[in-house]
Amino acid sequence: AQSVTQPDIHITVSEGASLELRCNYSYGATPYLFWYVQSPGQGLQLLLKYFSGDTLVQGIKGFEAEFKRSQSSFNLRKPSVHWSDAAEYFCAVGANDYKLSFGAGTTVTVRA
Amino acid sequence: SQTIHQWPATLVQPVGSPLSLECTVEGTSNPNLYWYRQAAGRGLQLLFYSVGIGQISSEVPQNLSASRPQDRQFILSSKKLLLSDSGFYLCAWLTGGYTFGSGTRLTVV
Repeated sequence: AQSVTQPDIHITVSEGASLELRCNYSYGATPYLFWYVQSPGQGLQLLLKYFSGDTLVQGIKGFEAEFKRSQSSFNLRKPSVHWSDAAEYFCAVGANDYKLSFGAGTTVTVRA
Repeated sequence: SQTIHQWPATLVQPVGSPLSLECTVEGTSNPNLYWYRQAAGRGLQLLFYSVGIGQISSEVPQNLSASRPQDRQFILSSKKLLLSDSGFYLCAWLTGGYTFGSGTRLTVV
C-alpha cells in the first residue's frame, strides 16, 4: 500500500523568502505524485504532478518539485514567496492518477 | 469549459438527521467521480468513487452511502448522521489528476 508523510505540520516564512515543503512517500514502484494547495474553506487546486520523465517538474504559481527516487521524496519549492501563498499544501501519491493517498498537509504562514 | 459544482457550501445538521450532498460536473462525459472527507488537521480520506452510472465503490466502511443516478451527478447520503460525520467533504473528478469542487463544511450537532 502507498503512503505519504509530510514531516512539517506548519511552516512560517517571510514574504520574498524561499520555501521548501517536504514530502516522503512509500510505494514499491514509480509512483504518480502530486502537490495540491488549499486556501481556507476552499477545495484543493492542483499545483503540479509527476508521472514520468524529467524529475524536476514545473507547476503553476511559480512552484516546482523534484522527484528523487533514491530518497523517496517529492519536495515542493518556490524561490520567492508571496503573501497569497499562505495556504495548506498536500502531497499525494498513487499507483495511477486516481485513488491517491494524501499526506496530512503542511500549513504555510507568510509574514510581512 | 469543464467545471465541477458542489453544494451546499456549509451545513449544520442534528445527530440522527439525514444527509444529502450533491456534486455535478459540466463539460465532460462519463467522468470518474470521487467523494473525499477531510477531518480537521488531517489529510483527505477517499470515501467513494464511481466510474459510471450506478457504479459505486466504497473505500471505507462507514455511516455514509453514495449514488450516481446520472452520468454527471454524484450524491453522498446518510440516513442518520453521527457526530463523527462532521468534516469537510470534497467531490472530485479525474482529469489527469483530480479537479476538486469547493467543498461542503458539515457540522453535526
